[in-house]
Amino acid sequence: SQQGEEDPQALSIQEGENATMNCSYKTSINNLQWYRQNSGRGLVHLILIRSNEREKHSGRLRVTLDTSKKSSSLLITASRAADTASYFCATEPDTGGFKTIFGAGTRLFVKA
Amino acid sequence: SQTIHQWPATLVQPVGSPLSLECTVEGTSNPNLYWYRQAAGRGLQLLFYSVGIGQISSEVPQNLSASRPQDRQFILSSKKLLLSDSGFYLCAWSWGSNEQFFGPGTRLTVL
Repeated sequence: SQQGEEDPQALSIQEGENATMNCSYKTSINNLQWYRQNSGRGLVHLILIRSNEREKHSGRLRVTLDTSKKSSSLLITASRAADTASYFCATEPDTGGFKTIFGAGTRLFVKA
Repeated sequence: SQTIHQWPATLVQPVGSPLSLECTVEGTSNPNLYWYRQAAGRGLQLLFYSVGIGQISSEVPQNLSASRPQDRQFILSSKKLLLSDSGFYLCAWSWGSNEQFFGPGTRLTVL
């Protein structure tokens, strides 16, 4: 099965609200990454957080990592209709080799 | 700056026909290269990754193969396509243990 699992699978909110997406994984990791995908397009990298970090910010994005619980969360504050997309977490296991395992994603819909 | 190209953008192939998808990266050297497949509405499945010329790691045993004939070229192939090979194929590159940069993808439909 996939290393990362996002929760919820789908999320619908009003513009201006905050959106929180969670990711759980199974094995020890080197880093965890969040990506965004607009329908039918390639993925765009949002944030990378390393295993020795607990929180990172980038603009309206805030990512937390709890390695003891093997979980991460992505918070998008003051959401906009343009944030509508699928969001994926991806983990790089610490077994070496640079491979990255993606979860099934959260589909976010922001209503204007 | 670095750019990644994939072609073709869309492809419709009959069952049993061969496949060749190409991915090239510009503006960098010795990148890690990846092939993923994405089923409709699903996450990405890692198919192959490569840390150097001729070095291919296969994650999922199936009807596909990959080759890296040049440093910045990654090719996904099949001798005989199956219906289950339909999907959205994405190529990506990275520098070591860092974020990946994705190409625009190829949508493959096998009929």
